Amino acid sequence: QVHLQESGPGLVKPSQTLSLTCNVSGGSINNGAYYWSWIRQRPGKGLEWIGYINYSGITYDNPLVKSRATMSIATSKNQFSLTLTSVTAADTAVYYCARLTWNSHVFDFWGQGALVTVSS
Amino acid sequence: QSGLTQPASVSGSPGQSITISCTGSRSDLGAYDFVSWYQHHPGKAPKVLISDVSNRPSGVSDRFSGSKSGNTASLTISGLQTEDEAVYYCSSYSSSATLDVLFGGGTKLTVL
Repeated sequence: QVHLQESGPGLVKPSQTLSLTCNVSGGSINNGAYYWSWIRQRPGKGLEWIGYINYSGITYDNPLVKSRATMSIATSKNQFSLTLTSVTAADTAVYYCARLTWNSHVFDFWGQGALVTVSS
Repeated sequence: QSGLTQPASVSGSPGQSITISCTGSRSDLGAYDFVSWYQHHPGKAPKVLISDVSNRPSGVSDRFSGSKSGNTASLTISGLQTEDEAVYYCSSYSSSATLDVLFGGGTKLTVL
């Protein structure tokens, strides 16, 4: 069973950089069948796709955060990461990492989520 | 930001059936069968119920079923149980120039 777990600071100051890492266990991240994804849920809102990255570093992302978001992958550590620069209160959200199976475009495994609050 | 359209809420009594709709466009739901449905209980990880319009992953109850017609997908839950009370999201691949993945706004299911 694949397990994903987000980690990172729960509080970030406005204008600073949000950094999250997702550790994957129970399966290799080095597999071309999957894209490793970030999704967030802002307070009172629905799910919002941020982007995903594959084992070779190919990324697709949401234009709403494109200029501020960077995704990276470390296959040797079986983990992938998200950094979001110049954060504002609007970036306060629960951030989920998830595995997307490419040929069905389904998010089949999810982390528990990490609440990140942007506040001074 | 464009997305898929779902009703904000639905309700039903235990044992009844309900259907949640998800409406998109010709560049997403209407063009592809990459439609999935997720159940989200507060404070927990979302769980996939349906992939590829109507496929149930192993371990998902057969009370959950999916279908699609044109630009609209549907999730039907039969034999409602109290533990079905959650928020349900649809998702689709999109060939739009800007987004690969669309989510619906979520439908809150209340089991009365």
